[in-house]
Amino acid sequence: EAGVTQSPTHLIKTRGQQVTLRCSPISGHTSVYWYQQALGLGLQFLLWYDEGEERNRGNFPPRFSGRQFPNYSSELNVNALELEDSALYLCASSLTPGGADYGYTFGSGTRLTVV
Amino acid sequence: QKEVEQDPGPLSVPEGAIVSLNCTYSNSAFQYFMWYRQYSRKGPELLMYTYSSGNKEDGRFTAQVDKSSKYISLFIRDSQPSDSATYLCAMMGYGGSQGNLIFGKGTKLSVKP
Repeated sequence: EAGVTQSPTHLIKTRGQQVTLRCSPISGHTSVYWYQQALGLGLQFLLWYDEGEERNRGNFPPRFSGRQFPNYSSELNVNALELEDSALYLCASSLTPGGADYGYTFGSGTRLTVV
Repeated sequence: QKEVEQDPGPLSVPEGAIVSLNCTYSNSAFQYFMWYRQYSRKGPELLMYTYSSGNKEDGRFTAQVDKSSKYISLFIRDSQPSDSATYLCAMMGYGGSQGNLIFGKGTKLSVKP
């Protein structure tokens, strides 16, 4: 069974640009979560999508947005990139909405560097 | 006060040692407690899952939850160099209805041969 896949694995962007990150959940998982892991800050919750709807959002500005497609894959968009957006962006999926029963399965992440 | 506190280490132990990793938390609504292991440049991998209080054992790993003290632990017996990684505690409440797994900052563990 394929795990959570994310693309691209690495990218470098210039401050002010926009970026789109992609995630495919495990087959059968309808919930997708996005986290930011910046150096020294730990994993910070960004967004939760389930059945195509945004269910919850972390304490991030509106320039962080996303969507979930009918096949449950998801995109994370970041507009007007700032240097502090440099981080590992992790996508996770869960079998049940919210993931309380079995936890989350994470992908390997996209490392974003903003210069 | 942060919701989840975890000593970042680093923690260095010799091969074969018993390792104790701990987290404290402040939100009494937390009911689901997990430990993740993260190798360098990889995503976190779920190691242990516990609901409410008590102990859970899986091979060399034991997870303990003490809700009265708001304290969780992960013990690793007979530690191996392959256990060298960052260990993250994580927890959530409200039946998962907020879909927001809260993580500690992680403890970096190094097991020396």
